[in-house]
Amino acid sequence: DTAVSQTPKYLVTQMGNDKSIKCEQNLGHDTMYWYKQDSKKFLKIMFSYNNKELIINETVPNRFSPKSPDKAHLNLHINSLELGDSAVYFCASSRGGRTNEKLFFGSGTQLSVL
Amino acid sequence: AQSVAQPEDQVNVAEGNPLTVKCTYSVSGNPYLFWYVQYPNRGLQFLLKYITGDNLVKGSYGFEAEFNKSQTSFHLKKPSALVSDSALYFCAVRDHQARAGSYQLTFGKGTKLSVIP
Repeated sequence: DTAVSQTPKYLVTQMGNDKSIKCEQNLGHDTMYWYKQDSKKFLKIMFSYNNKELIINETVPNRFSPKSPDKAHLNLHINSLELGDSAVYFCASSRGGRTNEKLFFGSGTQLSVL
Repeated sequence: AQSVAQPEDQVNVAEGNPLTVKCTYSVSGNPYLFWYVQYPNRGLQFLLKYITGDNLVKGSYGFEAEFNKSQTSFHLKKPSALVSDSALYFCAVRDHQARAGSYQLTFGKGTKLSVIP
């Protein structure tokens, strides 16, 4: 079974649309993350949730809104999509606490905004 | 702020030859360092980490990394490269301070490794 799964794998949409990416982990981890990987493969953290509580919100436009209905899920909703939002978005999870450095990543969602 | 630098965008090595992917770090306090690998169209996978102890850390798929405090480096190495090792490699450092009991990782920009048959 896939440990961290995110859907969809590919998302092609028009500017101005609203879209969501879903993420689920079955590892029993306390902490979940969203990362953005740009066209140059640079990886930057966007959000981090620990036990459904937002603990990191980097300099991300407020068009991006994470939602964690429970510890196993962290969804990313994006309003009014822009061309610059095109990237690969990765969900990840970890155990939390002092031993949380080992991250488990999903396989990514490639978002293309036209 | 914690940071890591990967000075090479790309490393090419012939199959069977030893490989090195470089990483230097800048931290306050003791460094907690990691290597991750990203295969094409996949998420990152954990390879190894240095927390404390031996300077030579062994990880998955035959990789190892050497921690060098005086040179503030944490280079990834493998004695004999395989074509299947071709991927993107990321060095990472753990934040010095926890937020809400959780530490975060800061990643380098990645190094593309190409192993030539």
